[in-house]
Amino acid sequence: QLQLQESGPGLVKPSETLSLTCTVSGGSISSSSYYWGWIRQPPGKGLEWIGSIYYSGSTYYNPSLKSRVTISVDTSKNQFSLKLSSVTAADTAVYYCARLGVTIFGVVIAVDYWGQGTLVTVSS
Amino acid sequence: QSALTQPPSASGSPGQSVTISCTGTSSDVGGYNYVSWYQQHPGKAPKLMIYEVSKRPSGVPDRFSGSKSGNTASLTVSGLQAEDEADYYCSSYAGSNNPYVFGTGTKVTVL
Repeated sequence: QLQLQESGPGLVKPSETLSLTCTVSGGSISSSSYYWGWIRQPPGKGLEWIGSIYYSGSTYYNPSLKSRVTISVDTSKNQFSLKLSSVTAADTAVYYCARLGVTIFGVVIAVDYWGQGTLVTVSS
Repeated sequence: QSALTQPPSASGSPGQSVTISCTGTSSDVGGYNYVSWYQQHPGKAPKLMIYEVSKRPSGVPDRFSGSKSGNTASLTVSGLQAEDEADYYCSSYAGSNNPYVFGTGTKVTVL
């Protein structure tokens, strides 16, 4: 059974960089059928797709966050990571890592596996 | 890219049906048959309920069904049960520049 687990600091200061890692177990991150992504949910609000990465390193970012986001992958560790720079209180959210099924043309079909989520609070 | 539009709330009595709409544009919902629906209980990660407009993953009851007409997709929950009370989010592929967009979410209450 595939499992995804987020890890990283739960508290980040304003203007600093939020860093999270997702460890994938029970399956290989080097599959051609999936992207690996980050999705966040501010307290009491809806879901927002942050970005995704293919095992080859190709990345796709939400245009509204693109200038501050970097997603990377480490296939040797079966992990992928998120960095979000210059954070503000508006970046306080539960951050989910996820697996996204894709077609051979790279069209996202759906998010079929989610991590449990980790709350990151931006506060001094 | 704006979020897809869903009604904030919907409700029904046990055994009844409830339908949730998800309105986008020709650049997302209307342009692709890659609409999916997620169920989220409080404090839990979302769960995939419908993908490719109307397909159900293994283990999802057939009480859940999806459809699409033009720029609007719909999720219908038939034979409402207490455990169906949750937040529901739609999502859609939206092109190579912004591959994935979520809906605003609908809270379903079982009366």
